[in-house]
Amino acid sequence: SQQGEEDPQALSIQEGENATMNCSYKTSINNLQWYRQNSGRGLVHLILIRSNEREKHSGRLRVTLDTSKKSSSLLITASRAADTASYFCATDVDGRFGAGTRLTVKP
Amino acid sequence: DAGVIQSPRHEVTEMGQEVTLRCKPISGHDYLFWYRQTMMRGLELLIYFNNNVPIDDSGMPEDRFSAKMPNASFSTLKIQPSEPRDSAVYFCASSFSRGYNEQFFGPGTRLTVL
Repeated sequence: SQQGEEDPQALSIQEGENATMNCSYKTSINNLQWYRQNSGRGLVHLILIRSNEREKHSGRLRVTLDTSKKSSSLLITASRAADTASYFCATDVDGRFGAGTRLTVKP
Repeated sequence: DAGVIQSPRHEVTEMGQEVTLRCKPISGHDYLFWYRQTMMRGLELLIYFNNNVPIDDSGMPEDRFSAKMPNASFSTLKIQPSEPRDSAVYFCASSFSRGYNEQFFGPGTRLTVL
C-alpha cells in the first residue's frame, strides 16, 4: 500500500480563503513531497520538505512536517480559482501516491 | 529541456490488440517510473527503472503488461493482449535520484480499450 495518505478527500472553499490538506505516512522518511495535478494533466512537483525541517514556504504555499506524528500539512493561502486541482503527497520511501485531496476553489 | 515526452497522447484500440506506450525521460535522469491512473484505483505505480534496470515491478498487474528500457532515453510499456479494464491514463515520470528529488511527470497517454 502507499506510504502517503491525504486528507480530506475533497475540499471546497471560496476564493480568498485558505485551504489546508493533510498527509499521513507510516514509516520513517528522509523527505516528503507535495504535488499538484490539474484535470487531465500530469503531476507537478510543488515543494519538498526534509525530515530535519519543520516548516517550509514557497509563495502562497506553506508546508509543515511533524515526524513524531508522521504527518504533514499543506496550506494554500489566499486561494484562487486556478488552485483548483488535486493535491498529492509522496515520501522518499517508495514514491507512491495516495488518493489525493481534490480542492475546488469557487470564484 | 522539453520535459518528459510520452506518445501517443491518446490511444483507442479494441480488446485483444497489442498496445505500446512510449516515454522519453528528461536527459540525465537516472530513474524512470510508469504509473496508471483511474478513478477507481487512483494513481498506481506499475514499475520503475534505475539506470535502465527494472528495480520494482510489483505493481505490474499481470503478465499481459511488460516494460522495457533499452537505453537511458527511451522506455516502453506494452500491453498484450489489451482488455477494457486496462483503460486508464498512463503516466511516465523521471527523476534524478528517486525519493530525494522531485519526479517530473509526462502529460500522460489516455488509453481506451473497447
